[in-house]
Amino acid sequence: DAGVTQSPTHLIKTRGQQVTLRCSPKSGHDTVSWYQQALGQGPQFIFQYYEEEERQRGNFPDRFSGHQFPNYSSELNVNALLLGDSALYLCASSAADRGLNGYTFGSGTRLTVV
Amino acid sequence: QKEVEQDPGPLSVPEGAIVSLNCTYSNSAFQYFMWYRQYSRKGPELLMYTYSSGNKEDGRFTAQVDKSSKYISLFIRDSQPSDSATYLCAMSLNSGGYQKVTFGIGTKLQVIP
Repeated sequence: DAGVTQSPTHLIKTRGQQVTLRCSPKSGHDTVSWYQQALGQGPQFIFQYYEEEERQRGNFPDRFSGHQFPNYSSELNVNALLLGDSALYLCASSAADRGLNGYTFGSGTRLTVV
Repeated sequence: QKEVEQDPGPLSVPEGAIVSLNCTYSNSAFQYFMWYRQYSRKGPELLMYTYSSGNKEDGRFTAQVDKSSKYISLFIRDSQPSDSATYLCAMSLNSGGYQKVTFGIGTKLQVIP
């Protein structure tokens, strides 16, 4: 049973470019949350998707947007990249009826903005 | 003041030692308390999940919550080199009908053989 799968694992982009990160949730999970983890910091909540809609959002600018597909997979898009966007981007999936006890993280996508 | 405070360490202990990891928090609305383990270049892995004040034990791990002091702890008995990782505390509260999760900065632990 595959866990949470994220792609790509590493990415290097130039300041001002746009990037799309992808996440496939664990089998049986229908909710996807995205986090940004800067070096030496804890994960910071970006947003959460359920039933193809964004239902919660953290303190991130509109440059960060997302999407959830009918198969529950999700994308995170970041426009107009800044050097400060360099971080590990984590996807976590869960089942809406199990709450946080079933929260499962992927290994993340490491984004470097140069 | 951050909602969740955690000493980043690093913490180095000899194999077999008892490890104590701690977090304090300021928001009394936090309801659920979690500890995650994160190995280098990996995502966090849920270790312990508690709701009420008191202790919860799972093998070599014990999670302790003291809501009156706004203080949570994770104890690791008979520590092993494989326990070397970063340990993140996390807490959640109900926000608009959904659980909002806040993480600590993480404590880096090294268990020396």
